[in-house]
Amino acid sequence: AQSVTQLGSHVSVSEGALVLLRCNYSSSVPPYLFWYVQYPNQGLQLLLKYTSAATLVKGINGFEAEFKKSETSFHLTKPSAHMSDAAEYFCAVSPAAGRRALTFGSGTRLQVQP
Amino acid sequence: SAVISQKPSRDICQRGTSLTIQCQVDSQVTMMFWYRQQPGQSLTLIATANQGSEATYESGFVIDKFPISRPNLTFSTLTVSNMSPEDSSIYLCSVGPGSGNTIYFGEGSWLTVV
Repeated sequence: AQSVTQLGSHVSVSEGALVLLRCNYSSSVPPYLFWYVQYPNQGLQLLLKYTSAATLVKGINGFEAEFKKSETSFHLTKPSAHMSDAAEYFCAVSPAAGRRALTFGSGTRLQVQP
Repeated sequence: SAVISQKPSRDICQRGTSLTIQCQVDSQVTMMFWYRQQPGQSLTLIATANQGSEATYESGFVIDKFPISRPNLTFSTLTVSNMSPEDSSIYLCSVGPGSGNTIYFGEGSWLTVV
């Protein structure tokens, strides 16, 4: 069984400020972890993924995330927010083997204030 | 990367009717999944589409309501039967694992039931 908890359904930051979106997971088997972004009225776009290689993962648009097994966390960060980062962000987990269906968190809506 | 084409991209349907959504992938894939995203919500797995056999449904989803076909390794359909307004959602096709264990999503089919 696996689950994902995203703390904070809404996060608001100022343009240029640090972005931190929190994700904690629970998995009975070694997990793969993903962050997806969904812009208004669009589909899902993969930001980055952890698949048991480096624990610090760099993704697109300046985002990165660190897999911390001891904390069962995979928080998403970006040093400096841009207005174009405003979107819904989803953390997801899948088993590292077998059926790779994703279990999604509830999502975090990021607002960027000018 | 896998390119996924979903049809229709959007539709407005009358209650009581059924609609079939198609998912076409540009390469053979091992796994295909169907997800639902209700308005303002996260994604929920409906079922795993199994090639040449019956789909595997998640709790809360049944074959009579969401029949799925997967005749080959590049194509699947999801039918939403006897639709009600509660079925108004985005339905997303997902495939993988691809290069680097990536799970890919189509752009989604946005259904509104009136």
